[in-house]
Amino acid sequence: EAGVTQFPSHSVIEKGQTVTLRCDPISGHDNLYWYRRVMGKEIKFLLHFVKESKQDESGMPNNRFLAERTGGTYSTLKVQPAELEDSGVYFCASSHLSFGGRPDTQYFGPGTRLTVL
Amino acid sequence: AQTVTQSQPEMSVQEAETVTLSCTYDTSENNYYLFWYKQPPSRQMILVIRQEAYKQQNATENRFSVNFQKAAKSFSLKISDSQLGDTAMYFCAFNLNRDDKIIFGKGTRLHILP
Repeated sequence: EAGVTQFPSHSVIEKGQTVTLRCDPISGHDNLYWYRRVMGKEIKFLLHFVKESKQDESGMPNNRFLAERTGGTYSTLKVQPAELEDSGVYFCASSHLSFGGRPDTQYFGPGTRLTVL
Repeated sequence: AQTVTQSQPEMSVQEAETVTLSCTYDTSENNYYLFWYKQPPSRQMILVIRQEAYKQQNATENRFSVNFQKAAKSFSLKISDSQLGDTAMYFCAFNLNRDDKIIFGKGTRLHILP
């Protein structure tokens, strides 16, 4: 079974440009999450999709970030326009839907390293 | 606020030794799950071990075990008979029973030396 995949692995852009990150979850996983790690800091939650719906987007830093998951399969995270502080590693994770209150294990992708110059 | 603190940014031990990674966390909730994730240099982060807060018995997975002290809000990871392949960044984390978002610490970079 293929794991969570992310594309690209690295992206270097200039301030003010637009970048789109993609995440393909494990097949059959309805939950999809985005996290971000800024250098030297903790990995921080950004948002959570259940199928195509945004369940929780409390971690999105501002309106320059737009996440979509059309059709409930892969997801994209667009940053427009990018700022210097957006640099970091963006992780995607997926999991099965859980029932009865117990969250299921989240499986992480390798991350996309974004550098904004 | 929910937080996780890993007080050891970096550690090095000789192969075959036992090493313990420290972790403390803070939450006012009573139902949650604790995790240790490992991210080797190839960058794919994987779950090492998981502990339900309502279980008193410490979780073990082969050479990996935890020392869970709920009252002290401490969740350390012990790696026995360490191997070169254990070299990685280790993240301590938890999430609430009612929530899916995982809260991470800053990580401990562990080097296993030959």
